[in-house]
Amino acid sequence: DTGVSQNPRHKITKRGQNVTFRCDPISEHNRLYWYRQTLGQGPEFLTYFQNEAQLEKSRLLSDRFSAERPKGSFSTLEIQRTEQGDSAMYLCATKGGNWNEAFFGQGTRLTVV
Amino acid sequence: AQRVTQPEKLLSVFKGAPVELKCNYSYSGSPELFWYVQYSRQRLQLLLRHISRESIKGFTADLNKGETSFHLKKPFAQEEDSAMYYCALSGLGNYGQNFVFGPGTRLSVLP
Repeated sequence: DTGVSQNPRHKITKRGQNVTFRCDPISEHNRLYWYRQTLGQGPEFLTYFQNEAQLEKSRLLSDRFSAERPKGSFSTLEIQRTEQGDSAMYLCATKGGNWNEAFFGQGTRLTVV
Repeated sequence: AQRVTQPEKLLSVFKGAPVELKCNYSYSGSPELFWYVQYSRQRLQLLLRHISRESIKGFTADLNKGETSFHLKKPFAQEEDSAMYYCALSGLGNYGQNFVFGPGTRLSVLP
C-alpha cells in the first residue's frame, strides 16, 4: 500500500498516560495535516506541516498536544497526560504538488479509560 | 468564519431512487468545495471537487455561490453507494489550505 500509513491503528490507554501516534505520508508529499474526529462529527483540523515546518495550529491543539515532522517525512503526534475527552479517531492527511486533494490515512483510534 | 453544514445525519433511499445530499457553507472568500466519502472500514477518499466539474460514480455537485450550497446528487442510487459522505471546504489562499468538514451524512441505499 503506497498510501498514507498510520500506526498504531488502535490504542487503549489509561487516563494520565502519554501516547504517540505516527503518520507516514505518501512519498514526496510535502504537506501533512493532523485531524481529530469524534463520533458523529466530521474531521477537525489540528495542525499542518509544510516539509518539517509546523506552520499552523488549531485552537483545539492544547499544550498537552505536540506534533513533529523532524525530517519532513513521517510525523508524530504526542498527547501527554491523556484525558477521557481525548478519545477520538486521529487522522493524518497529506497533499503533494499543486493539487489541493488530501489523501487520508486509516486513522488511529484512541480510547482513554 | 468558515463553516460547513450538512442538515441530514441519515438519508435512506431505495435502490434506483434519486438522491441528494445537502451541503451549505459559509466563507467570506472564494472557497474550493469537495465531497469526501468513507465506505465501511475504508479510509476517507475524495469523491469529487467543484473545480473539476466532473461526474464520479454517477454523482455530480454544482457550486451555487448565491445560495452558498454544494449539494451532491445522483439520479439512480445503488446499494454500493451506502457510505458516509462529508462535504468539505478549503479556503483558496488560506495558509495551508486545510479543510473544514461538515458533520457528514450517512447514506443508506435499501434494496
